[in-house]
Amino acid sequence: DAKTTQPTSMDCAEGRAANLPCNHSTISGNEYVYWYRQIHSQGPQYIIHGLKNNETNEMASLIITEDRKSSTLILPHATLRDTAVYYCIVSTGANSKLTFGKGITLSVRP
Amino acid sequence: DVKVTQSSRYLVKRTGEKVFLECVQDMDHENMFWYRQDPGLGLRLIYFSYDVKMKEKGDIPEGYSVSREKKERFSLILESASTNQTSMYLCASSHTSRLLASGNTIYFGEGSWLTVV
Repeated sequence: DAKTTQPTSMDCAEGRAANLPCNHSTISGNEYVYWYRQIHSQGPQYIIHGLKNNETNEMASLIITEDRKSSTLILPHATLRDTAVYYCIVSTGANSKLTFGKGITLSVRP
Repeated sequence: DVKVTQSSRYLVKRTGEKVFLECVQDMDHENMFWYRQDPGLGLRLIYFSYDVKMKEKGDIPEGYSVSREKKERFSLILESASTNQTSMYLCASSHTSRLLASGNTIYFGEGSWLTVV
């Protein structure tokens, strides 16, 4: 699976959009971009995934660049409960084997 | 709702003890996984299973074994616990996707905090 690069941390104000970047310059054509998050002391939680097209669900939006070498997870109206470590993972999805990196710590401030 | 249940949230065991961590999923998933998570090291895959009685080593299998006798249950076994196995252990499960185009997602349990003294 291709590797990803994320900043170590970022913060945003409550109620504002949080834009979390991820670089995956070696992604191959059959690899998906997945985002998970982990709130302190809990198991990781699936957020969203995509292949080429932008995706949106009730939690977030995923914007993938046309060359697929980077993506951005958007939390449109961040709340204090969104404070967590967010993992960007690239994988074919075959048999679900996902390799988690260190992720980005998002701190939402009041 | 998808549910992955880990039997123990917190355990304290002595060095040399045999430890069983149990995990059950209620979604009829084919795939099950055990990860451990340590500060600064992220999540690391210990073992995974694609089907009943099948298992494959992950990235850090040493000191661990697993058992999958039923589809819904996946057990992690520490034959002789050591202090360097103090960690948070996460169980996860997912469906096997015949069509890669649909992608796949993993569902995690809440984690088991194991302390070996």
